[in-house]
Amino acid sequence: GAVVSQHPSRVICKSGTSVKIECRSLDFQATTMFWYRQFPKQSLMLMATSNEGSKATYEQGVEKDKFLINHASLTLSTLTVTSAHPEDSSFYICSASTRGEQYFGPGTRLTVT
Amino acid sequence: GDSVTQMEGPVTLSEEAFLTINCTYTATGYPSLFWYVQYPGEGLQLLLKATKADDKGSNKGFEATYRKETTSFHLEKGSVQVSDSAVYFCALRGDGSSASKIIFGSGTRLSIRP
Repeated sequence: GAVVSQHPSRVICKSGTSVKIECRSLDFQATTMFWYRQFPKQSLMLMATSNEGSKATYEQGVEKDKFLINHASLTLSTLTVTSAHPEDSSFYICSASTRGEQYFGPGTRLTVT
Repeated sequence: GDSVTQMEGPVTLSEEAFLTINCTYTATGYPSLFWYVQYPGEGLQLLLKATKADDKGSNKGFEATYRKETTSFHLEKGSVQVSDSAVYFCALRGDGSSASKIIFGSGTRLSIRP
């Protein structure tokens, strides 16, 4: 139990386009999901906290207009990187909370060319 | 604010060697402490946790004890295997709610030689 999936696992897009990443809790409902970004050989940095039915809470320095988060249901949160640029290339990881723990998705590798 | 400091890697050991990865933290109150592992090409997996002082978390031969007096949560394993090669992250959560954010250390890359 407590499985979190992400889709796609890898995506390559051209500079200026937008990309949507989905995070799903497969066997539980999650009122709170988190989005992290991980640069190569570095730690995870929290980008935002996503609460079902309300606006996401962004960490300081994260552009909310660039990284759009929607938590439309108790099992799905989406992260849209708008007008992507090469510096947005990274590994994006989501997590969902339930039963006192956070469970992490496998991550999505975004490459912007 | 809360923070986690862990030893820099990479750490390279021979199979069956003893492993210690140091982790210290700064936090107000009584945080929960975690070790996560990230195998190559995969997402994070919870390895072990401790929620109060003197608790010992253990899993797959790994252990870590929550030491409030030294604000530490060092990861140890008595005999490592090649399959333990991964990146290990020490982390804390400021309170008991799973809806609270987790703060990660910088990660320690571990490589085990056969």
